Amino acid sequence: KAGVTQTPRYLIKTRGQQVTLSCSPISGHRSVSWYQQTPGQGLQFLFEYFSETQRNKGNFPGRFSGRQFSNSRSEMNVSTLELGDSALYLCASSRTLRSTRTDTQYFGPGTRLTVL
Amino acid sequence: AQTVTQSQPEMSVQEAETVTLSCTYDTSESDYYLFWYKQPPSRQMILVIRQEAYKQQNATENRFSVNFQKAAKSFSLKISDSQLGDAAMYFCAYRTMKTSYDKVIFGPGTSLSVIP
Repeated sequence: KAGVTQTPRYLIKTRGQQVTLSCSPISGHRSVSWYQQTPGQGLQFLFEYFSETQRNKGNFPGRFSGRQFSNSRSEMNVSTLELGDSALYLCASSRTLRSTRTDTQYFGPGTRLTVL
Repeated sequence: AQTVTQSQPEMSVQEAETVTLSCTYDTSESDYYLFWYKQPPSRQMILVIRQEAYKQQNATENRFSVNFQKAAKSFSLKISDSQLGDAAMYFCAYRTMKTSYDKVIFGPGTSLSVIP
């Protein structure tokens, strides 16, 4: 079974631009979560989608948004990029939204975003 | 709010030796998951081991085992017979069982070096 894939793997943007990152979950997984990883803040939860609906959101400004499609693929968008948005953005998928006894999040390789 | 603490930013171990990584967490919930994730230099996050809070028996996965002390809110990871491939950043993580608040909270990580 193919793992979680994220595209692009690397991205360089300038301040003020916007960016869209893509995540394809493991086949059969319906929940997709996004995390931002930086050396200073560590891993921080951005949001989670299930069945095309945002179910949970972390403490990030409205410049960070996302969506999920009917095939469970998800995109996240960051508008008006700031230098501090430079980070590794990780996507994780799991089978269900509910924390069942057997559910586990599987992570993708991440997208490295650099804002100049 | 739940928090996860890893008090050892860096650790090292001799190849073939045993090392224990510490993790403490804070929660008012009684049912939850705990995880150890490994992130090698290639950046792909991998699940190492998981523990359900309702289980008193410590989880074991080959050379990896945990010491789960629910009352003390402690969740340490023991790596036996350390191998060069174990060198990575290790994250302790907490996941609530509440379906309306389904996200993973990560600790700051411990960087493990394996000395040949």
